[in-house]
Amino acid sequence: AQKVTQAQTEISVVEKEDVTLDCVYETRDTTYYLFWYKQPPSGELVFLIRRNSFDEQNEISGRYSWNFQKSTSSFNFTITASQVVDSAVYFCALTSSNDYKLSFGAGTTVTVRA
Amino acid sequence: EAQVTQNPRYLITVTGKKLTVTCSQNMNHEYMSWYRQDPGLGLRQIYYSMNVEVTDKGDVPEGYKVSRKEKRNFPLILESPSPNQTSLYFCASSLNRGLGYTFGSGTRLTVV
Repeated sequence: AQKVTQAQTEISVVEKEDVTLDCVYETRDTTYYLFWYKQPPSGELVFLIRRNSFDEQNEISGRYSWNFQKSTSSFNFTITASQVVDSAVYFCALTSSNDYKLSFGAGTTVTVRA
Repeated sequence: EAQVTQNPRYLITVTGKKLTVTCSQNMNHEYMSWYRQDPGLGLRQIYYSMNVEVTDKGDVPEGYKVSRKEKRNFPLILESPSPNQTSLYFCASSLNRGLGYTFGSGTRLTVV
């Protein structure tokens, strides 16, 4: 069975602070895929990044960066110099080669105050 | 534009009145799925379909039905809605799980 844990329910920061969202996953499969989605107040799910289990290279995209560590089964997400527009719910998700289902964590609500 | 289209976006209904939420994708994806989102629980899979006429239960299928008569459409049917089905619903499709999933804009359902 697959499982994704986002232990942080809510995070509140002041603008320009950095914020790191934790994601820990469980799967028995050796081939799997990890995702991060953003859900702004408008409600839609916005795709941010995907990673496959064979690619542990960290990635940076503008103010966003991701740290994938297979040794600790973690796929953490950092927003650098946060802005009010970053306020949203962020979901980490997992699927694998043996299961099309996308398993989501409970989500972390990020509030960035001006 | 490649997309998953859900309708309606918002729906308020009464207990027991059958309803259908439509989902259509224009990307020729074989895989489609329905999720519901509830506070503190993330998104949970209701039903999924690997291809036309092939559907299966997800984690929370009770009270829902689906059908896949055409590749592009995957409607979600609530035969007798109850208040505990008040939720935000998402339809998703995928060509290849490694490439990711495309989600619809969501349907916010309230059952009173």
